[in-house]
Amino acid sequence: GAGVSQSPSNKVTEKGKDVELRCDPISGHTALYWYRQSLGQGLEFLIYFQGNSAPDKSGLPSDRFSAERTGGSVSTLTIQRTQQEDSAVYLCASSQEYTQYFGPGTRLTVL
Amino acid sequence: GENVEQHPSTLSVQEGDSAVIKCTYSDSASNYFPWYKQELGKRPQLIIDIRSNVGEKKDQRIAVTLNKTAKHFSLHITETQPEDSAVYFCAASESGGGADGLTFGKGTHLIIQP
Repeated sequence: GAGVSQSPSNKVTEKGKDVELRCDPISGHTALYWYRQSLGQGLEFLIYFQGNSAPDKSGLPSDRFSAERTGGSVSTLTIQRTQQEDSAVYLCASSQEYTQYFGPGTRLTVL
Repeated sequence: GENVEQHPSTLSVQEGDSAVIKCTYSDSASNYFPWYKQELGKRPQLIIDIRSNVGEKKDQRIAVTLNKTAKHFSLHITETQPEDSAVYFCAASESGGGADGLTFGKGTHLIIQP
């Protein structure tokens, strides 16, 4: 079956602009996660969705970051007024039980 | 919150030799410990995981051991091959993630020398 997909694969933007990243989880997976991976670093957890429940936003780096999940499926991560330190690969994962399956990521470059 | 330390940051071994990567965690409530392999420019892929009700798990050339008392777990790769070259990440969580997600180590760059 289809794995986790993300779009766009690459995004180059100017400082101060807003960006929207999309994640399509594996069909039937109720849990969805967003992580950020800076160059040469491990993965940093950002936010978690379980079905349609409201997420715990405490892991988001700043109030410029927001995320939503519509209909318990597709999720979007929005970064407002992007800064250079937001440059990273943003990875989405979905799971049904324990195992998290990752998407290919969106490489965000803020100039 | 949970904190995961991973060592070494870089590991170079001769093809055919074994490789061992070690991780420690801080939260005694953690009960799920996956290992991911990430090749350059690719997504992280799960290679093996272990839950806290067992001390060891093996899958062909890969094994993971867990010491809950000492709060550390290790990845063992035997008979290493060139395709094992990648960055390996350990992680820890309660019940597979939930509201705290997975907490990852900083990764080990494994280099297999021909």
